[in-house]
Order: sequence, then C-alpha cells, then structure tokens
Amino acid sequence: EAGVAQSPRYKIIEKRQSVAFWCNPISGHATLYWYQQILGQGPKLLIQFQNNGVVDDSQLPKDRFSAERLKGVDSTLKIQPAKLEDSAVYLCASSLGQTVAKNIQYFGAGTRLSVL
Amino acid sequence: QKEVEQDPGPLSVPEGAIVSLNCTYSNSAFQYFMWYRQYSRKGPELLMYTYSSGNKEDGRFTAQVDKSSKYISLFIRDSQPSDSATYLCAMSKAAGNKLTFGGGTRVLVKP
Repeated sequence: EAGVAQSPRYKIIEKRQSVAFWCNPISGHATLYWYQQILGQGPKLLIQFQNNGVVDDSQLPKDRFSAERLKGVDSTLKIQPAKLEDSAVYLCASSLGQTVAKNIQYFGAGTRLSVL
Repeated sequence: QKEVEQDPGPLSVPEGAIVSLNCTYSNSAFQYFMWYRQYSRKGPELLMYTYSSGNKEDGRFTAQVDKSSKYISLFIRDSQPSDSATYLCAMSKAAGNKLTFGGGTRVLVKP
C-alpha cells in the first residue's frame, strides 16, 4: 500500500515570496491533516479536513496560509507571503476516519521549507 | 506552559539496554495516547496507540498510561542501534481529533 506522498521535498524561498505544497493521502483515507514542525519541536496542527470540508483550522495563520482539498483527495497548502518564522517542515498526514479504530494518522516525509 | 512536556535529551544508551521515555501533560481531557518514532528527514511513524490508562506491549515496546498522574511512558527493551531516532509522544481528546505532540526526545543507541 502506497503511503502519504508529498512534494516537493525541499524548498528554499526568500521572505515575502509565495510557496505551495502538495499532498496525496493514502487511498480511501477521508481525513487529511497538515502539521508544521519547527526544528527541535513536535508537529503542530495547522488544518484538518474531513473529505473536502474543514474540521479544524484554529491554528492556521489565515492572513498568510491557505489550504484546500479539492474533491476530497489531494490537498495543497499555500503560504503567501512567507516570513522567516515559516521555516519548518510541513507534514501531511491522513487517516481512515474519525472512529477509534480508524484514527491512526499516517505521515508523509514532509516538505522542508527554508525562508531566507 | 506547554500542554505536553517531553525531555528533549539526547538520551544515550549502550546497545541492549532498556530505553525509558516519558511525557507529562496538563489537560485531563486527553483520552488517546500515542508514541511515534521519527528518523532524521522522515515523517513520524506510529509505534504504539493506547486508550485511557493501562499498559500495552508490542514486541520490544511497552507503553504505559497513568491518567491520574497525567504521565505516559514508553520502554524499549533490548535496544538496537536502529532504534536511534527522535521519539514523539502525542495525544488527542477524541478519536479523529488533532494530535497534540510533545517536543520529542532524541535517543542514541551506541553499538
């Protein structure tokens, strides 16, 4: 079974530029998550989708970050404009659904963003 | 104060030793507790998943949850150099909810 796919793996941009990340979840997984992991810290949830609807975006900096999940499958996360403090690894995760037995989140390898 | 606290390490042990990791948390609403392993430049990989208080064993790994003390532990027996990684505890309030992670403990198992 293929895992969570993310691209690109690495991205270097200058501050105030825009950037987009792409995620393809495990086939059949209804729930998709985007996490931000700053160096030396644990991942922090940015946004959670259930199919193509937003479940939780309370920690998403909406003035600069946006995300969408068209057709309830792939998802993109965008930052515009980027700030230095956005340098982090952006992790995508997916799970089957919201019941106990199906709540295991599987993570992709992440996109490492450096903002100069 | 962070919701989930975890000693960053590094924790260095000789091969074959028992690795003991732990996390404390402040929010009594957490019901589901997980341990993830993260190798350098990789995504987190689930090791253990437990609900409420108690112990769970899977091969060389044992997870313990003490909700009364708001304290969870992970033990790795017969540690191997391949166990060298960062170990993240994570917890959620309900199935399907977001995970709240600790900062991770870096473990180094020396041959």
